[in-house]
Amino acid sequence: AQSVTQLDSQVPVFEEAPVELRCNYSSSVSVYLFWYVQYPNQGLQLLLKYLSGSTLVKGINGFEAEFNKSQTSFHLRKPSVHISDTAEYFCAVSDRWTSNTGKLIFGQGTTLQVKP
Amino acid sequence: EPEVTQTPSHQVTQMGQEVILRCVPISNHLYFYWYRQILGQKVEFLVSFYNNEISEKSEIFDDQFSVERPDGSNFTLKIRSTKLEDSAMYFCASSGDRGYTEAFFGQGTRLTVV
Repeated sequence: AQSVTQLDSQVPVFEEAPVELRCNYSSSVSVYLFWYVQYPNQGLQLLLKYLSGSTLVKGINGFEAEFNKSQTSFHLRKPSVHISDTAEYFCAVSDRWTSNTGKLIFGQGTTLQVKP
Repeated sequence: EPEVTQTPSHQVTQMGQEVILRCVPISNHLYFYWYRQILGQKVEFLVSFYNNEISEKSEIFDDQFSVERPDGSNFTLKIRSTKLEDSAMYFCASSGDRGYTEAFFGQGTRLTVV
């Protein structure tokens, strides 16, 4: 069964520093990949998605991610973070090989803590 | 901007009681989902719903759970007899297609079973 692993539960970083949040998934036969962000007391908001085509995907708020099929990874990056980026980040996979309903399999989440 | 709305934001219920969590998906969407997140754990898929029937459900979604789209706008999750372990944040989501492009999530309902 498909699984998603976010390797870091918490990532502390200083403001204006670069950050990478790591995500690995178990099977890449036919997947769509997503990063969602959850700000305190809010729902899940889509940051970016990979469906096909270019492996480098750009999203909102200056985030980008790279799909690496050989390493089954979809790491999220931002070159310079802001205090307002402090939130919980979730990697998710839609495995089209095992499910045709669009359900998402989520990672455990990574808390990004941006310090001044 | 259209959004998914969930009510209530927080519900406290006694063990054994029935609860209904409500969601209003985005109006032109066709696919609906419920997920839950137990504190400190992953967001887990519960059920997907399309064309007025369940299209997929997880092992978590046992006979205590049911979903309904009673009036063409609301989408509800019912838990018939709540257990302590049902305490979690429940998220509703909707998609215009099968989530291939984007699933829109509500803000969640925090259910506390005491």
